[in-house]
Amino acid sequence: DAKTTQPPSMDCAEGRAANLPCNHSTISGNEYVYWYRQIHSQGPQYIIHGLKNNETNEMASLIITEDRKSSTLILPHATLRDTAVYYCIVRAQGGSEKLVFGKGMKLTVNP
Amino acid sequence: EAGVTQFPSHSVIEKGQTVTLRCDPISGHDNLYWYRRVMGKEIKFLLHFVKESKQDESGMPNNRFLAERTGGTYSTLKVQPAELEDSGVYFCASSEGVWSPLHFGNGTRLTVT
Repeated sequence: DAKTTQPPSMDCAEGRAANLPCNHSTISGNEYVYWYRQIHSQGPQYIIHGLKNNETNEMASLIITEDRKSSTLILPHATLRDTAVYYCIVRAQGGSEKLVFGKGMKLTVNP
Repeated sequence: EAGVTQFPSHSVIEKGQTVTLRCDPISGHDNLYWYRRVMGKEIKFLLHFVKESKQDESGMPNNRFLAERTGGTYSTLKVQPAELEDSGVYFCASSEGVWSPLHFGNGTRLTVT
């Protein structure tokens, strides 16, 4: 059911920017891109979402390509606590409101 | 603001027994969702309440699962009788509006032996 593809894993050095890619080539005009993460043994944590404009909040930035077929989540200064599984999810407006989780991508931040 | 809280955090029961999981959403959130992750699988949607009404229960696996949200506040998810394959982590989430981000609790880890 997941409509996104992410690499299975990625490593990043502590203090560096982590750029997490996501492909959503079949995204529809009314679908938002959401990012969540799950740190071991906790519930999924909302990070950010966007439709077509780039978005930034206190946690991360979301860059969506002009054709909206891919996006990148940027953690500007990764810390060890950012080690988690990151999920890129498309969620339709006007259709079902539920989030559909895929396999996600394991980000490991190394000291 | 208190987050989504779930009780208990862990539950170990024998096959055939009954278990009731509870979820307290963020105050004022009309939308409440149940999800679960069974071992080695992806997080799967179970159902969605809007206030006390079931909006979408397409993910409920079978009639051994019963979710309620009387009064539109907290919700319970009862499994009766529990089977081995019901083991996993059950997550609850809430959102203020239908298109607002979901905020998840830390889950209830259910082990059926």
